[in-house]
Amino acid sequence: SAVISQKPSRDICQRGTSLTIQCQVDSQVTMMFWYRQQPGQSLTLIATANQGSEATYESGFVIDKFPISRPNLTFSTLTVSNMSPEDSSIYLCSVDEGITEAFFGQGTRLTVV
Amino acid sequence: QKEVEQNSGPLSVPEGAIASLNCTYSDRGSQSFFWYRQYSGKSPELIMFIYSNGDKEDGRFTAQLNKASQYVSLLIRDSQPSDSATYLCAVRGDYKLSFGAGTTVTVRA
Repeated sequence: SAVISQKPSRDICQRGTSLTIQCQVDSQVTMMFWYRQQPGQSLTLIATANQGSEATYESGFVIDKFPISRPNLTFSTLTVSNMSPEDSSIYLCSVDEGITEAFFGQGTRLTVV
Repeated sequence: QKEVEQNSGPLSVPEGAIASLNCTYSDRGSQSFFWYRQYSGKSPELIMFIYSNGDKEDGRFTAQLNKASQYVSLLIRDSQPSDSATYLCAVRGDYKLSFGAGTTVTVRA
């Protein structure tokens, strides 16, 4: 299975600032995804990171707030912009290996103060 | 995203017993189904995936899929305290995963 490295693992940020989260995979993958998991909640898909084109955002998520880059088939970044305490969550990068397996990075625990 | 419902928890079982977790989904076109285990403060860990009707066994875990009933379950046999975690059901329709809310399992020693 793919090995996914996500960083930072955690951060405490001031409101109004931005944080960029990196996701590195040890092999080329077609599909990369970004999820959010708010405290005590399940996972919500933010967007699909598309290589060489703009990310595909889910309802309720917009590019201005969560810009995503995917410069190649092994790397993606998610930026959480103009943060507020409501953005305090775990952010997770995920990759697919065919239709049968989907794996997650270690997650980034973000606290906005 | 498509709707995925899991039986509400928490579920408490004695050590050695069978824990039964249920999940229903709304999209009849869903193709593959996943069970993840998530320990507190950790990212989800894939336990099982299933895409054909019937049972699939892997060690102490058995996944059961019934596409006609739009139902997938996970059985944990001989439950151990280390199985105490939140279990997430995920369903893939097109290329995206939709997750249930999760069921928290506590195994009592």
